[in-house]
Amino acid sequence: GENVEQHPSTLSVQEGDSAVIKCTYSDSASNYFPWYKQELGKGPQLIIDIRSNVGEKKDQRIAVTLNKTAKHFSLHITETQPEDSAVYFCAPDGGGADGLTFGKGTHLIIQP
Amino acid sequence: NAGVTQTPKFQVLKTGQSMTLQCAQDMNHEYMSWYRQDPGMGLRLIHYSVGAGITDQGEVPNGYNVSRSTTEDFPLRLLSAAPSQTSVYFCASSPQPSNEKLFFGSGTQLSVL
Repeated sequence: GENVEQHPSTLSVQEGDSAVIKCTYSDSASNYFPWYKQELGKGPQLIIDIRSNVGEKKDQRIAVTLNKTAKHFSLHITETQPEDSAVYFCAPDGGGADGLTFGKGTHLIIQP
Repeated sequence: NAGVTQTPKFQVLKTGQSMTLQCAQDMNHEYMSWYRQDPGMGLRLIHYSVGAGITDQGEVPNGYNVSRSTTEDFPLRLLSAAPSQTSVYFCASSPQPSNEKLFFGSGTQLSVL
């Protein structure tokens, strides 16, 4: 099965600074790379995703970059705001109906 | 727009009791799934369904049953609760015939004593 590692497990940044979270996966057949955000007491919410034929995707302050050769993809958040404080999960997938393999999560803390 | 609705939000069971966690979605999604979330372990797939009448096992199916008689509902049954089933359970659905672009419910926190 897929082995997924996220780094760091906790990230504290000053409000307004940028944050980067990296996800490493093992299955070279993975072709779908989403990031989910989970706020306290809520379910995960998809914030951005990318396919293997695309190297980068941006949506306002968030972006995802993919390096298929090295088997890792990263979440970039610029101009961080207090509402960005949450746990972020990567979940690379090789396609099909069975489940995503979630990383263990990164707790992002935005310091005022 | 209700999205994915899970009930109850909290439940305490005694070892050996059975119960059903309810999940309903009003988005006409064919794909639905159940995950459990344990501290330090991320989310793990229990069961999933690609449409009414079709279910399949995920990574951790033991001790759980599911059925899918309608597009809207996907209940998860605990047959004989064990302390190892203490967890937070999430139901999710997708507009794709796969696990992409999942919409999650708000979860059920279950404690088994």
